[in-house]
Amino acid sequence: KQEVTQIPAALSVPEGENLVLNCSFTDSAIYNLQWFRQDPGKGLTSLLLIQSSQREQTSGRLNASLDKSSGRSTLYIAASQPGDSATYLCAVKGNQFYFGTGTSLTVIP
Amino acid sequence: GAVVSQHPSRVICKSGTSVKIECRSLDFQATTMFWYRQFPKQSLMLMATSNEGSKATYEQGVEKDKFLINHASLTLSTLTVTSAHPEDSSFYICSAQRTGHRDTQYFGPGTRLTVL
Repeated sequence: KQEVTQIPAALSVPEGENLVLNCSFTDSAIYNLQWFRQDPGKGLTSLLLIQSSQREQTSGRLNASLDKSSGRSTLYIAASQPGDSATYLCAVKGNQFYFGTGTSLTVIP
Repeated sequence: GAVVSQHPSRVICKSGTSVKIECRSLDFQATTMFWYRQFPKQSLMLMATSNEGSKATYEQGVEKDKFLINHASLTLSTLTVTSAHPEDSSFYICSAQRTGHRDTQYFGPGTRLTVL
């Protein structure tokens, strides 16, 4: 069974810093990997979707990479802002979505 | 973009009652919908996969007689929590897979269920 791990579980940074969130998965047979943002008590907002054949995707200040062979993905956030504070989830799509436990990010003004 | 709605967004009920949660794809057809549960400080766990016009497929450990799923149309799936207990209190999120697009799911905003 696919297992998805996210490190760190929590992260606190001052505003303006660049940061990296990590995601690892045990089964490389995936269709895609997706990064989501979840605000407290809210649903999921899709940030970036990387197909299994792709290496990275970029959207604004966000860049996600995928190394399927090693079972790793990173989400890079440039010039962090207080509004980026949220929980970030990665999920891999095989026959179903498998979610990591998330990284809780706090950006301090 | 594809939009998925859930209703209600928040519900409080007494122990022993049943609660129905609706998941709708607003601007696309979804042959397959998924129901997830998220406990505090935990990630989403898939409960069941719902296919239009057929019985839902439940994940191991999920009681199908307690969590009734109906997917009667290509835009609506419902989850009914029967005889709810306090331990059923959770955040329930649905997602919809656009017909013919297996790789992408669109998530609803979630329903917060509190059972007293």
